[in-house]
Amino acid sequence: GAVVSQHPSWVICKSGTSVKIECRSLDFQATTMFWYRQFPKQSLMLMATSNEGSKATYEQGVEKDKFLINHASLTLSTLTVTSAHPEDSSFYICSAKFGGYEQYFGPGTRLTVT
Amino acid sequence: QQQVKQSPQSLIVQKGGISIINCAYENTAFDYFPWYQQFPGKGPALLIAIRPDVSEKKEGRFTISFNKSAKQFSLHIMDSQPGDSATYFCAASNTGNQFYFGTGTSLTVIP
Repeated sequence: GAVVSQHPSWVICKSGTSVKIECRSLDFQATTMFWYRQFPKQSLMLMATSNEGSKATYEQGVEKDKFLINHASLTLSTLTVTSAHPEDSSFYICSAKFGGYEQYFGPGTRLTVT
Repeated sequence: QQQVKQSPQSLIVQKGGISIINCAYENTAFDYFPWYQQFPGKGPALLIAIRPDVSEKKEGRFTISFNKSAKQFSLHIMDSQPGDSATYFCAASNTGNQFYFGTGTSLTVIP
């Protein structure tokens, strides 16, 4: 149980375009979903926290207009990287929780901006 | 400021040996301490977690030791196997929302 999926697993886009990443909790309803960013050989950095039906809370230094988060339902959250640039290339990982402390992580999405 | 400090950065262990990874924290409000295992190109997977009301938790070959007074906790992997080769992250939280991750330990188990 507690499976989280992400789609796509890997995406290449051109500089200036936007890309959307989906995060789904497959077998539970997620009260809260989180988006992380991870650079090679580095730790996970929390970007934002979102609850279904409300605006996401962004961490300091994360541009909310660039990284749009929509938590449309208890099983789906999306991250849209708008006007992507090469420096946005990274590994984006979502996680979800349904009560308690455990966060269950998705498999990640590798974004490459050319 | 790094809320959770993790060491070592990398670790090489012989098959069958014990792998030990250490973490230290400062915030005494933290009350949940999970360990995650991450393989290249994959998301982290929860291995084992502990609350501060116990000093040790064991699940299979994985054991967390927790020292509340020293504000330290560690992961012990007994009988380490090549399949355990991965990056391990410790984390700490006091709300279940904000997770503070360590910097990660790259473990290599040599056959």
